[in-house]
Amino acid sequence: NAGVTQTPKFRVLKTGQSMTLLCAQDMNHEYMYWYRQDPGMGLRLIHYSVGEGTTAKGEVPDGYNVSRLKKQNFLLGLESAAPSQTSVYFCASVKTGTLNLEAFFGQGTRLTVV
Amino acid sequence: AQSVTQLGSHVSVSEGALVLLRCNYSSSVPPYLFWYVQYPNQGLQLLLKYTSAATLVKGINGFEAEFKKSETSFHLTKPSAHMSDAAEYFCAVSEYAAGNKLTFGGGTRVLVKP
Repeated sequence: NAGVTQTPKFRVLKTGQSMTLLCAQDMNHEYMYWYRQDPGMGLRLIHYSVGEGTTAKGEVPDGYNVSRLKKQNFLLGLESAAPSQTSVYFCASVKTGTLNLEAFFGQGTRLTVV
Repeated sequence: AQSVTQLGSHVSVSEGALVLLRCNYSSSVPPYLFWYVQYPNQGLQLLLKYTSAATLVKGINGFEAEFKKSETSFHLTKPSAHMSDAAEYFCAVSEYAAGNKLTFGGGTRVLVKP
């Protein structure tokens, strides 16, 4: 059981380049999330999805787009990378149910924009 | 809107001493509360969660937390620190009506001195 898998694990981009981060979960979870982690700021929500074909904005959505074409995958796109997007990105999926809201996290993608 | 405040971005404790990490939250509805731990270059791992059952919650690795509604707090404790407890700890709040989104505090990095 792989849980939540993020690819790639590391990436260096030049300003203005584009890329897509992939998050895949094999737990049949409905809810999936993309966060960014910056020192001293905890994790901040970028976008999330409550089911296949649906997405919504989080706290810091500017400069990012997402898609959830398949239930198990949640893609995060950067159309024109900026140095301010240098961060560690985490994907999470949530198991829902009575008294059960546990989030499972991927290992993270460390992105540097130069 | 929900929010989380963690007092102290860094905490230093001696091995064998009490670990106390403070977390205060705000939420418009009864919250679900979580503590996560992050070891270097890894994702987040759930330590424990409060989901409106017992107010004293026991988690993994000897940690526990107490939900105090009157103080809007969910402080994390461990009676005796171990070297392996050196990590960053995040408190988080979730509201079912808010798409189960997790809102994180800024994190507290714990250093354990021998």
